[in-house]
Amino acid sequence: DAGITQSPRYKITETGRQVTLMCHQTWSHSYMFWYRQDLGHGLRLIYYSAAADITDKGEVPDGYVVSRSKTENFPLTLESATRSQTSVYFCASSEPVLNEQFFGPGTRLTVL
Amino acid sequence: RKEVEQDPGPFNVPEGATVAFNCTYSNSASQSFFWYRQDCRKEPKLLMSVYSSGNEDGRFTAQLNRASQYISLLIRDSKLSDSATYLCVGTHSTLTFGKGTMLLVSP
Repeated sequence: DAGITQSPRYKITETGRQVTLMCHQTWSHSYMFWYRQDLGHGLRLIYYSAAADITDKGEVPDGYVVSRSKTENFPLTLESATRSQTSVYFCASSEPVLNEQFFGPGTRLTVL
Repeated sequence: RKEVEQDPGPFNVPEGATVAFNCTYSNSASQSFFWYRQDCRKEPKLLMSVYSSGNEDGRFTAQLNRASQYISLLIRDSKLSDSATYLCVGTHSTLTFGKGTMLLVSP
């Protein structure tokens, strides 16, 4: 089915572990985004990508790494998870950058 | 200062009521504006785009006031299913989301 999917949907990990959140879209949108959503902060942009092999920092990039080797995939890696990274993570895509963004269902990450 | 600001609410209204949300934005160069709806524990979804001339979609009306740098959303004849958080969105280099306004519609 066309759309944008995220995996895993739920993840519990421990402080210091590496975690990768996956995002896959089938629309061939050029732009993809990673957000985190926390109570009191709303949606905050972590990283975004304009095309394969082009990524840029958003508002809160520290502690995160992204890559985009294929247009349809945009994984987000927490290199050494911290409790402050407990959050709901949403991936989104759009075409072009200032158009409507389509969101994935989210990943609920808990760092113990 | 946050680029997009909105009242967090909650707005508690009875079914059938009319309710309006306002949102202010700080970047006068913003070109595009949107209202998104987010249900509890779900992803945000586009409710409607906001055009300079204003636009209407059924019970929903969105307005843009560039002079005062705010956008509004009017919901008429509220339904229980309208209960959600409404996110105001402006644009800078990418979309900038407000923190959302919670609406609770009661029977």
